[in-house]
Amino acid sequence: DAGVTQSPTHLIKTRGQQVTLRCSPKSGHDTVSWYQQALGQGPQFIFQYYEEEERQRGNFPDRFSGHQFPNYSSELNVNALLLGDSALYLCASSLAQAQYFGPGTRLTVL
Amino acid sequence: TQLLEQSPQFLSIQEGENLTVYCNSSSVFSSLQWYRQEPGEGPVLLVTVVTGGEVKKLKRLTFQFGDARKDSSLHITAAQPGDTGLYLCAGDTGGGADGLTFGKGTHLIIQP
Repeated sequence: DAGVTQSPTHLIKTRGQQVTLRCSPKSGHDTVSWYQQALGQGPQFIFQYYEEEERQRGNFPDRFSGHQFPNYSSELNVNALLLGDSALYLCASSLAQAQYFGPGTRLTVL
Repeated sequence: TQLLEQSPQFLSIQEGENLTVYCNSSSVFSSLQWYRQEPGEGPVLLVTVVTGGEVKKLKRLTFQFGDARKDSSLHITAAQPGDTGLYLCAGDTGGGADGLTFGKGTHLIIQP
């Protein structure tokens, strides 16, 4: 049974560019959440998708947007990248309370 | 804004010693989860506690949820070098419908 998978593993972008990160949830999970983890910090909640709609959103600007597909996979899009967007972006899938995390995408903005 | 305070932030001890990590908040959580994260990887779920006063054991790790569901602790007995990592607690206020609120984590190093 495959766990949560994310792609790409690493990504380097320059300021002002746009980026799309992808996540496939654990088999049977219908809810996907995205988190941003800066170096040395705990993950910060970005938003959560359920039934192809954004259900909850954390304190992140509109530059951060997402999408969930009918197969429950999800994308995170970030526009107009800033240096401060450099972080590990984590996707987590869940069916009930417990959330299971993928390995993350390391985004570096130069 | 719910905040989870973890202490200590850093802990370095010798193999075989015992330790306790604390996770405190002024907010009530419907559940609390503990994760362990290694550098460059995603957090790995260790346990979920739901009921106030609940105690769960995972080999040498003992997790406790406070009676008021505002705090939790993780106790490791006879720590081993393989226990080294970042330990994160995360609270859930919405029964799974909301994002988790994470603490900043405890960086644990077990020296051989």
